[in-house]
Amino acid sequence: GAVVSQHPSWVICKSGTSVKIECRSLDFQATTMFWYRQFPKQSLMLMATSNEGSKATYEQGVEKDKFLINHASLTLSTLTVTSAHPEDSSFYICSATGFSSYNSPLHFGNGTRLTVT
Amino acid sequence: RKEVEQDPGPFNVPEGATVAFNCTYSNSASQSFFWYRQDCRKEPKLLMSVYSSGNEDGRFTAQLNRASQYISLLIRDSKLSDSATYLCVVNKRNSGNTPLVFGKGTRLSVIA
Repeated sequence: GAVVSQHPSWVICKSGTSVKIECRSLDFQATTMFWYRQFPKQSLMLMATSNEGSKATYEQGVEKDKFLINHASLTLSTLTVTSAHPEDSSFYICSATGFSSYNSPLHFGNGTRLTVT
Repeated sequence: RKEVEQDPGPFNVPEGATVAFNCTYSNSASQSFFWYRQDCRKEPKLLMSVYSSGNEDGRFTAQLNRASQYISLLIRDSKLSDSATYLCVVNKRNSGNTPLVFGKGTRLSVIA
């Protein structure tokens, strides 16, 4: 079945540095990728929707200048957390779909656990 | 009203028990509904889609009530391996590639 690969699985960084997370669709072309964030004991919260070749659409309350999303190809989207702070520590998960149908379930990457010290 | 609401649990049930989870959603235009399962510190995995007529997959049965904007998941003959958090999921918008909105999840612990 469809596979989404996310890298790295976990990262520890110092406050003020930037971290890049990659999300790749391995056996299909992902026209749309979604980035979610999950804090402990909370639900997955949608951060942004990324369409290949265009600017990402950010959800209300998500700073686009802090969370830079690039979807330059049909198989790769990246999320860069710029000037990370401890409150950015969270579980970041990408998901992808190659179909333009609202009935298509999403395929998720295995997530990236970010810890900012 | 939250977009998707679930009873957080936890539900602690013995092996072999039948357990039901409920979920309500606020967007009456939502067209797709799913149950996902999430194990601790892992990504969510699709358990099953939910169809208007209700659907069954082995020990799992999903129901949808559009009038009440209510979704349910029934698990029969619970196994230890069913212990996880079950996420109720609906689509956010009603067109094109639409992101999904997740409930907080209901935690299930099946006890030997």
